[in-house]
Amino acid sequence: QVQLVESGGGVVQPGGSLRLSCAASGFTFSSYGMHWVRQAPGKGLEWVAFIRYDGSNKYYADSVKGRFTISRDNSKNTLYLQMNSLRAEDTAVYYCAKAQLGYCSSTSCSTFDYWGQGTLVTVSS
Amino acid sequence: QSALTQPPSASGSPGQSVTISCTGTSSDVGGYNYVSWYQQHPGKAPKLMIYEVSKRPSGVPDRFSGSKSGNTASLTVSGLQAEDEADYYCSSYAGSNKFVVFGGGTKLTVL
Repeated sequence: QVQLVESGGGVVQPGGSLRLSCAASGFTFSSYGMHWVRQAPGKGLEWVAFIRYDGSNKYYADSVKGRFTISRDNSKNTLYLQMNSLRAEDTAVYYCAKAQLGYCSSTSCSTFDYWGQGTLVTVSS
Repeated sequence: QSALTQPPSASGSPGQSVTISCTGTSSDVGGYNYVSWYQQHPGKAPKLMIYEVSKRPSGVPDRFSGSKSGNTASLTVSGLQAEDEADYYCSSYAGSNKFVVFGGGTKLTVL
């Protein structure tokens, strides 16, 4: 069965950095695009970033563009999110999510069929 | 402020039907047939309930249905059950700049 397990969350000071990981199993990781989605405490979902199955294209929300970098290592079945210049408003549970369709193009990459349990990032001094 | 507009709350009694709306623009909901709905129970990860406007993943009860008219998508839950009480979020593809946008979520209460 599909499993996505995030790690790397914690408490970091404003301006600091953190790298999140998402270990994937139960499917052919190298065939699927992957997303990061976050949820601030008591708030709604916010899409953060997407990477194509082969890492060739990456997309970011305006709120994180230039500060966050999504990447993947298909040999390790792992997705990453490097977060720099962190701000208080980045405080959230960060979920990794799998795109529903393999080898998806832009529109068809926008459905998330499996989600991890999330990892909490707290930006505070 | 979320890109897609959902009512903050909705409610219904067991066995009744309830419809949750999700209003966007021609750049997202109205422009693409890639609207999804997710159910989230407290402290849990979201679960895909509807994709591509009206398709149900395997395992999702047929009490859940989706539709779209113009810039507004809708999720209907028929025959409400206690376990349907949760937050529901819509999402839509929004072009290569914004990629995916979410609604602010609707808290569904089963009375």
